[in-house]
Amino acid sequence: AQKITQTQPGMFVQEKEAVTLDCTYDTSDPSYGLFWYKQPSSGEMIFLIYQGSYDQQNATEGRYSLNFQKARKSANLVISASQLGDSAMYFCAMRVGDGNQFYFGTGTSLTVIP
Amino acid sequence: DGGITQSPKYLFRKEGQNVTLSCEQNLNHDAMYWYRQDPGQGLRLIYYSQIVNDFQKGDIAEGYSVSREKKESFPLTVTSAQKNPTAFYLCASSILPGLETQYFGPGTRLLVL
Repeated sequence: AQKITQTQPGMFVQEKEAVTLDCTYDTSDPSYGLFWYKQPSSGEMIFLIYQGSYDQQNATEGRYSLNFQKARKSANLVISASQLGDSAMYFCAMRVGDGNQFYFGTGTSLTVIP
Repeated sequence: DGGITQSPKYLFRKEGQNVTLSCEQNLNHDAMYWYRQDPGQGLRLIYYSQIVNDFQKGDIAEGYSVSREKKESFPLTVTSAQKNPTAFYLCASSILPGLETQYFGPGTRLLVL
């Protein structure tokens, strides 16, 4: 069975500091993709970053990086230099093999403090 | 601009009424999805479709129905059998096959009068 676990319901970070949002996953398929999405209070889901299971390097997109530890089955999102606009819900998700389903975690609410 | 549109942004349902949420995409994606999100919760899959005229139930399909008559369109009907329909509904699409991301529409908030 495929599963995504986010254990941090809420996180706080000081503006301009870095923050790590945790995500662990479970799958027996060797081919999978891991995703992070941001959901601000307006509701839209914004794709942030992708990591493939065969990628050797950790993914980076601007201030977002994904700390991919395959042996530990973890895919933590690191946001550097936090901004007030980073306050939102963040969801980790997985897509497996050639499957057409996405598996989502329960989300982490991030609040950036000025 | 390529993307996914959902309408309406807000929808009100009366007791015993069926309502239909619209989802259109011009990304030429094969797969389309409907999710339900309750306040403070994650996403739960209602239905998904890989190809025109074919769709599969997700985890919470009871009380919902869909159609996929065109590649671009995947409307969701919330039937009167859905006793607790108040939620935020998100439509998404993705390329098939592969491990590409999903892209989401802006969502529809459904409220029961």
